[in-house]
Amino acid sequence: NAGVTQTPKFQVLKTGQSMTLQCAQDMNHEYMSWYRQDPGMGLRLIHYSVGAGITDQGEVPNGYNVSRSTTEDFPLRLLSAAPSQTSVYFCASRIFGRGRAPDTQYFGPGTRLTVL
Amino acid sequence: TQLLEQSPQFLSIQEGENLTVYCNSSSVFSSLQWYRQEPGEGPVLLVTVVTGGEVKKLKRLTFQFGDARKDSSLHITAAQPGDTGLYLCAGGGAGNMLTFGGGTRLMVKP
Repeated sequence: NAGVTQTPKFQVLKTGQSMTLQCAQDMNHEYMSWYRQDPGMGLRLIHYSVGAGITDQGEVPNGYNVSRSTTEDFPLRLLSAAPSQTSVYFCASRIFGRGRAPDTQYFGPGTRLTVL
Repeated sequence: TQLLEQSPQFLSIQEGENLTVYCNSSSVFSSLQWYRQEPGEGPVLLVTVVTGGEVKKLKRLTFQFGDARKDSSLHITAAQPGDTGLYLCAGGGAGNMLTFGGGTRLMVKP
């Protein structure tokens, strides 16, 4: 049981380049999301998905696209990278509490992206 | 937009001391989560509280959700170097989205 995996771990892009950050989970969770983490700003939600075929925008969606063709995978695409997108990106999967079971979210190890 | 403010932003203490970290908002949240994050890793969930006034304990860590569900605190008793890390709170809101605070960076010196 690998949990949430992300690739690559590190990436350097030039302004204007595009790329896809990969995320996969093996816990059969319906809810997945992408966050970016910048110093002093905590985590900000980019996009999320409540199940295969369903995605929605979070707090900071501009410049990013997502798709959810399977329950397991939730890739994040940078369309035309900009220096403002330099950040650490985290993918997460979540199971909502039912009855006495708590709401639980699992994060991947992150992708550290630098845009020059 | 719901906002969560954490205080203090930075805290450096000696091993054995007690500390409290706060998470405050003017908004009501349906739930409140606390995470710990170590350098180079993703956040790890410590606890979820859902009821106003709820108190949960995890070994030396005590979490409390405010009566009005607008604030929360994390108290660590007899801190150890292994407690060093970034502590994040996150409030559950509309559409099941989570809003994160800016974090408290804790360093416990031996």
